[in-house]
Amino acid sequence: DIHLTQSPSSLSASVGDRVTISCRASQSIDSFLNWYQQKPGKAPNLLIYAASSLQTGVPSRFSGSGSGTDFTLTISSLQPEDFATYYCQQSYITPFTFGGGTKVEIK
Amino acid sequence: EVQLLESGGGLVQPGGSLRLSCAASGFTFRSYAMSWVRQAPGKGLEWVSAISGSGGSTYYADSVKGRFAISRDHSKNTLYLQMNSLRAEDTAVYYCAKDREVPGTGFDHWGQGALVTVSS
Repeated sequence: DIHLTQSPSSLSASVGDRVTISCRASQSIDSFLNWYQQKPGKAPNLLIYAASSLQTGVPSRFSGSGSGTDFTLTISSLQPEDFATYYCQQSYITPFTFGGGTKVEIK
Repeated sequence: EVQLLESGGGLVQPGGSLRLSCAASGFTFRSYAMSWVRQAPGKGLEWVSAISGSGGSTYYADSVKGRFAISRDHSKNTLYLQMNSLRAEDTAVYYCAKDREVPGTGFDHWGQGALVTVSS
């Protein structure tokens, strides 16, 4: 199985900060990497698919980059509604594993 | 508008069975692969199972292989997850999720989740 390691597992940031979250795959997954946002008690919401494509309706402050084994989610200017947990997920091969999550908290 | 509505969750004893349903609307159900993803209390997301649009191909996580079965009924636009030999570690919120148009590019719609509690 492909293992995804997210870092950091949590971070504290202020509104307006630039935030980056890393996701490393245990083997190459080309660009089959997706990012989700999840708020407490809610289902996940797709932000980025295929490593760098912005899902329809997602604000442009979210961006993704990377290929192969190393990927990054960037929030260019953190907004109050962005405080949540973020997960990466590989869709290269089943089982479609998720990373452990990164909780973004208010500083 | 795409809607996914899970049902069938509840409390079940270890070793018991439960069937989850996910009623889909707002899209051509047979055209999209579907998945089940679960989340144990306070934990991260775990992909459980997937089924192709036709229903001809199914996939499972090792943790549920041989115990769970995914299926779909196109006449009812409904996705199912039959869960047998349930264990305490299967306790979780179970989400159904719809693939994007291009396979392998993520899940663009999710249900609200169904809580399954396995306990005596």
